[in-house]
Amino acid sequence: NAGVTQTPKFRVLKTGQSMTLLCAQDMNHEYMYWYRQDPGMGLRLIYYSASEGTTDKGEVPNGYNVSRLKKQNFLLGLESAAPSQTSVYFCASTSGLAGSDTQYFGPGTRLTVL
Amino acid sequence: GQNIDQPTEMTATEGAIVQINCTYQTSGFNGLFWYQQHAGEAPTFLSYNVLDGLEEKGRFSSFLSRSKGYSYLLLKELQMKDSASYLCAVRDQDYQLIWGAGTKLIIKP
Repeated sequence: NAGVTQTPKFRVLKTGQSMTLLCAQDMNHEYMYWYRQDPGMGLRLIYYSASEGTTDKGEVPNGYNVSRLKKQNFLLGLESAAPSQTSVYFCASTSGLAGSDTQYFGPGTRLTVL
Repeated sequence: GQNIDQPTEMTATEGAIVQINCTYQTSGFNGLFWYQQHAGEAPTFLSYNVLDGLEEKGRFSSFLSRSKGYSYLLLKELQMKDSASYLCAVRDQDYQLIWGAGTKLIIKP
């Protein structure tokens, strides 16, 4: 049981390049999330998915796109990378939104845009 | 707007007790979470409060007062491995988690 995994762990991009971050979970969770974490700021929600085939915008969706074609995978795309997208990206998943249903996080992707 | 406030950094001594405070103003309330995050790692779940009062789990306890919009995390018998950031998060009316910036806890021998 690997939990939540993310690929890649590190990446350096040049301004204008595109890339896709992959998140996979093996816990059969319905909900999946993409966050970014920047120094001095809380985790900020980029996009989330409540079920396979559905996605919704979070707090900071501009410059990103997502897809959830399979229940276990949630992809985050950067269409044209900008230095402001330099950050640590975390994927998370949870089985539900009731009570103490907690979010489980992947190890993160450290992205630098030059 | 929604806001969660935590101290940026705290220092404590090994073996001592430390209290990390969190105040929140959110659109609705459906529970408060505390997570631990070691440097360079992912956040991991510590505790959950939805009713007023104290929840105890080993060396860690978490308190909630909904009327005051206030919570604290209490860590007892501090160990060097407790050096980490502690994140407070509130589940709002839309069942999304709103995150504080985290409190970096430094433990000194």
